[in-house]
Amino acid sequence: GAVVSQHPSRVICKSGTSVKIECRSLDFQATTMFWYRQFPKKSLMLMATSNEGSKATYEQGVEKDKFLINHASLTLSTLTVTSAHPEDSSFYICSAQDNEKLFFGSGTQLSVL
Amino acid sequence: QKEVEQDPGPLSVPEGAIVSLNCTYSNSAFQYFMWYRQYSRKGPELLMYTYSSGNKEDGRFTAQVDKSSKYISLFIRDSQPSDSATYLCARLGDSWGKFQFGAGTQVVVTP
Repeated sequence: GAVVSQHPSRVICKSGTSVKIECRSLDFQATTMFWYRQFPKKSLMLMATSNEGSKATYEQGVEKDKFLINHASLTLSTLTVTSAHPEDSSFYICSAQDNEKLFFGSGTQLSVL
Repeated sequence: QKEVEQDPGPLSVPEGAIVSLNCTYSNSAFQYFMWYRQYSRKGPELLMYTYSSGNKEDGRFTAQVDKSSKYISLFIRDSQPSDSATYLCARLGDSWGKFQFGAGTQVVVTP
């Protein structure tokens, strides 16, 4: 199957700093990528849909100024958590659409101290 | 009502048994279905993909779709402790690019 690379896998930061997470489709071009958040033992929660060359579409309740998404190329989308706070600590997962299939990155565990 | 319903489990089976997982869906707009396996603190991994009614086999895994009942299933034969994970069903939803996921079923295979 197609490969989606997500980095970093784990990040620890101080409260108030910004953190950038990268998501790359390695062997296919992805017009659409998705960002999810997942709490322990819970299902995936869609945060936003990222479309190459246009503004991301955010789900209800997700602050677009806090979670900045950039999809500058067909193989790269980034999620920046701005002014991170402890409540932003979570597992973030990206995915990329390849026709009718969806492939996921390995996830990023964010811990904000 | 959720678009895709899945029992969260946990489902515990002895090693070697058949694991049977099910999901139901409520809309027939698109007919693409997927099963993912997710280990703790990892991203979901695509296991099976199907778009037609009937069975599709891949090694120890069989995906089954019954469009008349809006029911999808995943069977794991000869289960191993390494199959212990959360399994998510998914479908391509009402519009292109809208993927809908079940809640995920936690499976525990005991030695």
